[in-house]
Amino acid sequence: DMKVTQMPRYLIKRMGENVLLECGQDMSHETMYWYRQDPGLGLQLIYISYDVDSNSEGDIPKGYRVSRKKREHFSLILDSAKTNQTSVYFCASSPGQGAGNTLYFGEGSRLIVV
Amino acid sequence: QQKVQQSPESLIVPEGGMASLNCTSSDRNVDYFWWYRQHSGKSPKMLMSIFSNGEKEEGRFTVHLNKASLHTSLHIRDSQPSDSALYLCAAPDTGKLTFGDGTVLTVKP
Repeated sequence: DMKVTQMPRYLIKRMGENVLLECGQDMSHETMYWYRQDPGLGLQLIYISYDVDSNSEGDIPKGYRVSRKKREHFSLILDSAKTNQTSVYFCASSPGQGAGNTLYFGEGSRLIVV
Repeated sequence: QQKVQQSPESLIVPEGGMASLNCTSSDRNVDYFWWYRQHSGKSPKMLMSIFSNGEKEEGRFTVHLNKASLHTSLHIRDSQPSDSALYLCAAPDTGKLTFGDGTVLTVKP
């Protein structure tokens, strides 16, 4: 069964704390993504990973970093979280590189920074 | 950076009616689009893609593409309350997808 799993699903952190969001997929997909979605807005790309240790910035990478040490696992790290990073974060994977492949999304991680 | 514009922002249609959603890219090199659907509190799921000029139909859903005008539209006939969702259009942009802000569709019973 094709699945993208995100942990944790809900998280409340204080400003300045570090945040780790984790994502796993069981489809051996090459490419993985982290997006954020704010109310009334579409999806904004934070980082894209083409394979292990092959990561590229997306449209809004400032304040975030990522790690991909295994093909099936992609982490998003917020060092010293800020209140404007309160959002819903979606991880996604796709079977190849390029925009011509279907994205499979996880169920999202809701982060609140207070 | 490419902009993907969707209209209208929100749309209310009666059950059984036709819903029409629009999407345009600012990038003249765009030649295909994706449509994703996101129910409230859930993750986006791919609905349809269109790579060729013209029309593509899948059940109650029809997608049109006009490459010359960089425009795609999604039409849902016989709309059902379960079609109520955020519809996101996406276009390719240097190897990744750029999403629009979406159209919120509400189907009233």
